[in-house]
Amino acid sequence: AQTVTQSQPEMSVQEAETVTLSCTYDTSESNYYLFWYKQPPSRQMILVIRQEAYKQQNATENRFSVNFQKAAKSFSLKISDSQLGDTAMYFCAFMKYSGAGSYQLTFGKGTKLSVIP
Amino acid sequence: EAGVTQFPSHSVIEKGQTVTLRCDPISGHDNLYWYRRVMGKEIKFLLHFVKESKQDESGMPNNRFLAERTGGTYSTLKVQPAELEDSGVYFCASSQGPGRVGYTFGSGTRLTVV
Repeated sequence: AQTVTQSQPEMSVQEAETVTLSCTYDTSESNYYLFWYKQPPSRQMILVIRQEAYKQQNATENRFSVNFQKAAKSFSLKISDSQLGDTAMYFCAFMKYSGAGSYQLTFGKGTKLSVIP
Repeated sequence: EAGVTQFPSHSVIEKGQTVTLRCDPISGHDNLYWYRRVMGKEIKFLLHFVKESKQDESGMPNNRFLAERTGGTYSTLKVQPAELEDSGVYFCASSQGPGRVGYTFGSGTRLTVV
């Protein structure tokens, strides 16, 4: 079974600074997908960024980028120029084909990020 | 386009009662998923619909949970009878394709069983 570990339950960062959230996972699969979702106080889960395991190039989305280390099974999220609206719970998630016709997500426990003015 | 809508946003019921959660996916999304997060634990997969068919229900915890998606549009998740350990946040998500590009989640229903 896959597991996803987020070792930082809570983090804080000053506005405009850079912060990195850690995520490691355990799998024997070679084809899979990795995601970061954010959940602000409104509770809506929002997709931040996605990485396909077969791609060596790290994904980027504006101020958000990942450091994907496949051999180390590490998938960290870097947020540059942090903004107050980045305050949220961040979930790292692993996706693979379940074998039952479904692509399921396995989530970490989340990291609560607070951006301080 | 309207997002994934879930209601109620919050429900408080007594142990032994029945509760029905509803999810309206994005129009045209054939794939609909239910996940839940119980207190202090990870978000866990419950089941996956493709149109009106249950594609994968391997995550359903027990037979007190019944999910339906009549007509392939909205879905309901009924808990009967509710137990204390069912408390948590129930998320619905939908995707047009099989989900490899990620799902669109709703805001969740917070269920509290007292």
